[in-house]
Parts: sequence; C-alpha cells; structure tokens
Amino acid sequence: TQLLEQSPQFLSIQEGENLTVYCNSSSVFSSLQWYRQEPGEGPVLLVTVVTGGEVKKLKRLTFQFGDARKDSSLHITAAQPGDTGLYLCAGKNSGGSNYKLTFGKGTLLTVNP
Amino acid sequence: EPEVTQTPSHQVTQMGQEVILRCVPISNHLYFYWYRQILGQKVEFLVSFYNNEISEKSEIFDDQFSVERPDGSNFTLKIRSTKLEDSAMYFCASTSDWTSGAQGETQYFGPGTRLLVL
Repeated sequence: TQLLEQSPQFLSIQEGENLTVYCNSSSVFSSLQWYRQEPGEGPVLLVTVVTGGEVKKLKRLTFQFGDARKDSSLHITAAQPGDTGLYLCAGKNSGGSNYKLTFGKGTLLTVNP
Repeated sequence: EPEVTQTPSHQVTQMGQEVILRCVPISNHLYFYWYRQILGQKVEFLVSFYNNEISEKSEIFDDQFSVERPDGSNFTLKIRSTKLEDSAMYFCASTSDWTSGAQGETQYFGPGTRLLVL
C-alpha cells in the first residue's frame, strides 16, 4: 500500500512569513499533483510535476519534485491570508496501478493578518 | 475554463435506498474517476473508467457500487443499498489522455456531492 505523508499537519503563521510544506513517500511516483481544498469543496489543482528534480513556480508558490520522484515540497513566499486552506499532495503510481491517485492527509495552513 | 460538474451538491437518503450521483466530466476527456472523502479523512480512490469499462477499482468499490457512462457526457456512480458508512463527499475527476507530460497525468476534480445516509 502506497502512503504519502504530509508535514506539518497544521501550520499557523503571520502574514508575510515564508513557509514550506512537505510530501514524502517510500514509493516512486510517475507524477505528483498539488491541490488546494476549501471546506466542503473539491480539490482544486495547483500544479503537476512529472520529472525528478523539477521545479515549478506559480506566483508566490514554488513546487519541487524530488530527484528520486518520492517526495515533493511546496514553498510559499510572503504568505497572505488568502493562502489559508488545506494543501493536498497526490501521487500517481509509476508501476502497477496506472490510474488512481494516492492522497496525503494534507497540511492545513492558516495565515493570520 | 472547462470544469467538471457534479449533481446534486447534497443528497440525504435513508439506509438501504439506492442513490445515483452524477458527473459531467470535462469535454474531450477520456478517463474518469470517482473518489470519496469521509469527513476528516483523506481522499480515497474508488474506481477508474475508460473506454466504457472499469479499468481499476479499490477494495471499497464492492458489489453495491456501479458506474456507467449512459451517454456522451454523463458519468454516474450508483450505490444500490446505502449504508451509514457510505456517508461522505464523493468526487468525480477526469483526465484528458495519456500523452506524456503533465497534462496527461493531471486529474481535474469536480466540486463533490455530499451524501448523508440516515
């Protein structure tokens, strides 16, 4: 059974601070997707990374896929209250199942004004 | 921007009743999925569907569940006899194709149907 561990589980910071959240596994993934989920809503895609070592930027958000494609990180620069939400990582298997995404439990970020 | 839509947004049903959850995937997408999320827990894969047949299913997707693509646009999940533990958010997702790269890997999710079984 593949597992994705996200850390920290909860993070509360002040506006303007930087933060990094992590997504780790012992399994190799063909790709990894980061989503943001608001309460009672569906996951909204932020980015997909597919190449080991890949770095993608989305405004103040920087995503990195580990060289071995087992882990990923999300770094937010100068966090704003609008960044508050649940950040989920989800990996697609590189072998065996070619269809399902395995989700982590998420990091619940609160940015205080 | 194209998006996955789901109906109804909320469904309340009695234990033992049948429910059908509906999804309209993004037009021209070829792969369709159902996931569920029990309150406070992580999103779990149920089933994937391609070319009018199930391509993979999880242990959760037992004989009480079925999926169908009755026409060119809708994708449905049926639960034949609901149980209390079926109460969850159900998400539909779709993927365009399997060309290499990020686009072929990405699953786009709908807003979900909140199912409550009493």
